[in-house]
Amino acid sequence: GMPVEQNPPALSLYEGADSGLRCNFSTTMKSVQWFQQNHRGRLITLFYLAQGTKENGRLKSTFNSKERYSTLHIKDAQLEDSGTYFCAAEVDYGNEKITFGAGTKLTIKP
Amino acid sequence: EAAVTQSPRNKVAVTGGKVTLSCNQTNNHNNMYWYRQDTGHGLRLIHYSYGAGSTEKGDIPDGYKASRPSQENFSLILELATPSQTSVYFCASGEDTGQLYFGEGSKLTVL
Repeated sequence: GMPVEQNPPALSLYEGADSGLRCNFSTTMKSVQWFQQNHRGRLITLFYLAQGTKENGRLKSTFNSKERYSTLHIKDAQLEDSGTYFCAAEVDYGNEKITFGAGTKLTIKP
Repeated sequence: EAAVTQSPRNKVAVTGGKVTLSCNQTNNHNNMYWYRQDTGHGLRLIHYSYGAGSTEKGDIPDGYKASRPSQENFSLILELATPSQTSVYFCASGEDTGQLYFGEGSKLTVL
């Protein structure tokens, strides 16, 4: 299967709602990153994790290398959170190759 | 100022023509990457590089060559462009930890 499976492919939330995105990995990953792609197509780095959990404002991300997954949690969703979210992971045998998930298109409704 | 700069940002090419997409980074990162983005596929890795003089095949290298003449520059070359190579191309530089920093993308249309 695909090395990085991202779910759900699309998600629609009302403003103020909380939700989460998930990436599952087919093998052990060394690190994971989360990006938001805005309406202009720009890729904005949200998090880089080698392990554990990081928070930044209304966003929180967790990476569990042993259990082969990562999550991105959005709290109190705002209209500007709309966009496509990608996870990208580096396989844990040091070849520097970084593979992306297919993305989650997030729509925030007023 | 942008640390990863791609050029051109938009390009229209004819089938069979040669296209070169250029990428320059001022991050002094060893690793550089070229991805393409198509609807329904996310970003797919074409070629990457560990440093000047090195190029490695990614997941979809067919029809593309890459060149890394220096630490700062990494080019993607389409010797004989085809309409299936119409896409948005992203260059990134990467720290040895794996953290990526992207350019703004180059939209290529092959007619």
